[in-house]
Amino acid sequence: GAGVSQSPRYKVAKRGQDVALRCDPISGHVSLFWYQQALGQGPEFLTYFQNEAQLDKSGLPSDRFFAERPEGSVSTLKIQRTQQEDSAVYLCASSQAEEGYEQYFGPGTRLTVT
Amino acid sequence: GQQVMQIPQYQHVQEGEDFTTYCNSSTTLSNIQWYKQRPGGHPVFLIQLVKSGEVKKQKRLTFQFGEAKKNSSLHITATQTTDVGTYFCAGQNRGSTLGRLYFGRGTQLTVWP
Repeated sequence: GAGVSQSPRYKVAKRGQDVALRCDPISGHVSLFWYQQALGQGPEFLTYFQNEAQLDKSGLPSDRFFAERPEGSVSTLKIQRTQQEDSAVYLCASSQAEEGYEQYFGPGTRLTVT
Repeated sequence: GQQVMQIPQYQHVQEGEDFTTYCNSSTTLSNIQWYKQRPGGHPVFLIQLVKSGEVKKQKRLTFQFGEAKKNSSLHITATQTTDVGTYFCAGQNRGSTLGRLYFGRGTQLTVWP
């Protein structure tokens, strides 16, 4: 079956613009995670959904970041008033459950804020 | 907060040489996972270790989980050019969000023929 897909793959935004990043997880996967990966770094946790419930958003860097998963499948990460420091690759991952299961990562969205 | 340290940051080897990357957590982990990220790609799961002192092998790759469940290592024997990429360890901790992965910075492996 299909893996995790993300769109767009690349996004260039001018500082101050809003962006929306989409994630289609593997069908039936309960858990969905968003990570931010800066160049030369490991992925950093942003937020976690179990079905449609956002159980942890402690990794979101500021209140400009917002994520949702209204029907427990597709998720959207929205960044308002983008800043240059938001430039990174945003990775979505899904898994069958929470702990002890491998996470399947999507290809990521590379966001560049100019 | 929880931290996962990984060394070295870079490793350049000639094909056929061995390679090892080390991972250390500031807290006890419930399990540790290893991922490989090829240049321009995304992390791909390699293995998970759960038990204290556990050792697992995948062909030329050997993974170890420390007795205290705070450190881990990945050893590749006789590297090949196909091993090129960045190897990440990532720990899970029952004390925090279930499933949240704490990634190390990764070790970028370069193999020249």
